[in-house]
Amino acid sequence: DVKVTQSSRYLVKRTGEKVFLECVQDMDHENMFWYRQDPGLGLRLIYFSYDVKMKEKGDIPEGYSVSREKKERFSLILESASTNQTSMYLCASSLKRDRPHNQPQHFGDGTRLSIL
Amino acid sequence: GESVGLHLPTLSVQEGDNSIINCAYSNSASDYFIWYKQESGKGPQFIIDIRSNMDKRQGQRVTVLLNKTVKHLSLQIAATQPGDSAVYFCAESPRGYNKLIFGAGTRLAVHP
Repeated sequence: DVKVTQSSRYLVKRTGEKVFLECVQDMDHENMFWYRQDPGLGLRLIYFSYDVKMKEKGDIPEGYSVSREKKERFSLILESASTNQTSMYLCASSLKRDRPHNQPQHFGDGTRLSIL
Repeated sequence: GESVGLHLPTLSVQEGDNSIINCAYSNSASDYFIWYKQESGKGPQFIIDIRSNMDKRQGQRVTVLLNKTVKHLSLQIAATQPGDSAVYFCAESPRGYNKLIFGAGTRLAVHP
């Protein structure tokens, strides 16, 4: 089975802090994704990556950046955390580079981030 | 547990009955569709997918039906069990768009 592991289940940070969320997948998948999930808004794509050192903006990239230095690891960075970034963050991966959204994405169990 | 949606539509079924969860999708250019199950406190779990060149696809206890004429997708769960209680999402991927578009979800409640 595909395993996508997010480093923290719960995280509490302060406004203005730089926050790192880490995600690792163990199935040699080409593509990795970061979403946030908010009640009433569903899943929204922040960034995705189809290769090492490559990234593409999703629907809501503002206030976030990402890093993919190794194939199995995809990091989400909140440059200066704000209270409106309090949310559930979900990492996902999919297998093939061609049409990364046209194949199953496999999710981690999420990081619930609170910004105080 | 965590709530993924405060006011999601809820489908209540008796254990052992069949469940049908419906989804209307928005884009006639969508050629890939997928269903996810999300239990409280967990990430979405892939259930089944279907491409637009098919009308029906079956998995273990689940069937997905696609009606492109009316842009409708359904997930049928046979012999629903208490462990099926969760929020179910559909998602579509339109040709030419680099994204999956997720629906809001339906909560399935299974009663003994």
